[in-house]
Amino acid sequence: NAGVMQNPRHLVRRRGQEARLRCSPMKGHSHVYWYRQLPEEGLKFMVYLQKENIIDESGMPKERFSAEFPKEGPSILRIQQVVRGDSAAYFCASSPGWGDNGYTFGSGTRLTVV
Amino acid sequence: SQQGEEDPQALSIQEGENATMNCSYKTSINNLQWYRQNSGRGLVHLILIRSNEREKHSGRLRVTLDTSKKSSSLLITASRAADTASYFCATDAQGNNRLAFGKGNQVVVIP
Repeated sequence: NAGVMQNPRHLVRRRGQEARLRCSPMKGHSHVYWYRQLPEEGLKFMVYLQKENIIDESGMPKERFSAEFPKEGPSILRIQQVVRGDSAAYFCASSPGWGDNGYTFGSGTRLTVV
Repeated sequence: SQQGEEDPQALSIQEGENATMNCSYKTSINNLQWYRQNSGRGLVHLILIRSNEREKHSGRLRVTLDTSKKSSSLLITASRAADTASYFCATDAQGNNRLAFGKGNQVVVIP
């Protein structure tokens, strides 16, 4: 079991470009969560998805950010027209949606906007 | 929304000593979890304690939960240099679909 896989590990984008971050959950996990971590900060919830459904996106900025978790393939966090303030580590976590054994986190994608 | 808040923020100890961190939260929870993050890396789940539990052990880790005070503590016994990391508490609240993280404790274990 490969765990939660995120790619790329590091991503550099110029202001105004698009960033696409990918997350493949653990095998058997149908629930995916995205978090953002600013330097020296804890993680902030962004969005919670199940296959083909956004369950809770209350932590997502209203503009430029979107997320999906299609029936096939990884979950994608998309940031359009990136700005310097988007520079952060973005972590994905997955869970089976039942029980309380904790969430499994990926290693994160570190986005740098130059 | 609730948020775990750890105390103290930074801790420097000698190898072999115990390290204790505290966390407080604001609303009712299903469980509280502790995670470790090494510099520049992802989070590693350490231990989960349910709201109806008061104490839990896992190896050198001991977690307590006081729901009346809405607080938790993480004790690392006989610390090792490899324990150097940031430690975060996170609450899984009733009716929510996410974890609420504190800002973390930076622990440095000096060999």
